[in-house]
Amino acid sequence: SQTIHQWPATLVQPVGSPLSLECTVEGTSNPNLYWYRQAAGRGLQLLFYSVGIGQISSEVPQNLSASRPQDRQFILSSKKLLLSDSGFYLCAWSLGNGETQYFGPGTRLLVL
Amino acid sequence: GENVEQHPSTLSVQEGDSAVIKCTYSDSASNYFPWYKQELGKRPQLIIDIRSNVGEKKDQRIAVTLNKTAKHFSLHITETQPEDSAVYFCAASRIQGAQKLVFGQGTRLTINP
Repeated sequence: SQTIHQWPATLVQPVGSPLSLECTVEGTSNPNLYWYRQAAGRGLQLLFYSVGIGQISSEVPQNLSASRPQDRQFILSSKKLLLSDSGFYLCAWSLGNGETQYFGPGTRLLVL
Repeated sequence: GENVEQHPSTLSVQEGDSAVIKCTYSDSASNYFPWYKQELGKRPQLIIDIRSNVGEKKDQRIAVTLNKTAKHFSLHITETQPEDSAVYFCAASRIQGAQKLVFGQGTRLTINP
């Protein structure tokens, strides 16, 4: 069966520091991968998605970036964090057209 | 782009009663509508989804209805139980390669014993 991992689980970072969040999927090949952000008490906002290695599409212009160096690895990065980057970051995966998205356990980020 | 509105934002029902959550969407090309349940501090979990080629889908106590003409869909939970208490999110997308899900703002459902 498929499993999705995210780390770290929680992170407290100062404003202006860099960020790297990692997501990996096991048990499947060539998944579609997604990064979402959930602000406290709010819905989920799609940040990036990827349909293959090196293929990244951005949905929201901001100081975040994403990369997919391997088939089942998705990384969310920032060079300089802002206070507004605080939130719950969720990675998700799906197979091809019309398939369900499954979420990872998430990373709770607090920028101080 | 797609916009999804979800109502109500909070809902409180007595155990055993039914709960209904409604969503409207703006993009008539959207054809996939999942519902997720999120418990406090946890990841969203898919509970049911519907594609635009059907008008209703049921799974035990949970059902979803879709009205493509009016561009709205609803989640129905019958015989509610305390473990149904959570935040529920609707979403919409087109089925085309990567699904760009657009989520509603969520409904906090509380089941009172």
